[in-house]
Amino acid sequence: AQSVAQPEDQVNVAEGNPLTVKCTYSVSGNPYLFWYVQYPNRGLQFLLKYITGDNLVKGSYGFEAEFNKSQTSFHLKKPSALVSDSALYFCAVRDIQAGTALIFGKGTTLSVSS
Amino acid sequence: DAGVIQSPRHEVTEMGQEVTLRCKPISGHDYLFWYRQTMMRGLELLIYFNNNVPIDDSGMPEDRFSAKMPNASFSTLKIQPSEPRDSAVYFCASSLVSDLWSYTFGSGTRLTVV
Repeated sequence: AQSVAQPEDQVNVAEGNPLTVKCTYSVSGNPYLFWYVQYPNRGLQFLLKYITGDNLVKGSYGFEAEFNKSQTSFHLKKPSALVSDSALYFCAVRDIQAGTALIFGKGTTLSVSS
Repeated sequence: DAGVIQSPRHEVTEMGQEVTLRCKPISGHDYLFWYRQTMMRGLELLIYFNNNVPIDDSGMPEDRFSAKMPNASFSTLKIQPSEPRDSAVYFCASSLVSDLWSYTFGSGTRLTVV
């Protein structure tokens, strides 16, 4: 069965500092990996995806994520955090062989202080 | 396009009552997903449809929950009878088969069962 773990419920970082939101996954086959962001009282918005190719993928709003197959991780990163980045971030996985729907982690709240 | 439209935005109902949540996917999208979000369990997949046909309903909690998609532009999620533990935010999302990694989410329905 496929699953996603986000080990931190909350990440706090000062504006201008780099940020990392962690994600590990478990699938039986090759994974498709995703990050979504949720702002208060809104639906989730797609940030970026890893399907194949370069292990470092770039997405919206300056975010990037690094796929590490040996560590089964897909951490979200940004070199310089903004207060407006404060939101709830979800990592998601799709097992190519298992099915179509995305399985989401529980989410990590990112809080960026000024 | 107006995006994925969910109604109502908020629903407060008494235990034992029937609740119907509605979703209008993006025109042309052939996949539709229902998710439930709670603090304890995060974002859970309930059921998804492809071309109006239910593909996987293994996430539906129990027989009190049912979902239908009578046509390509409308889906409902019904809870009968409702219980306080059903209180959550229910999201609908849609996607194209050619772009299965990018879901478009609705703004959600916040359900409170008292």
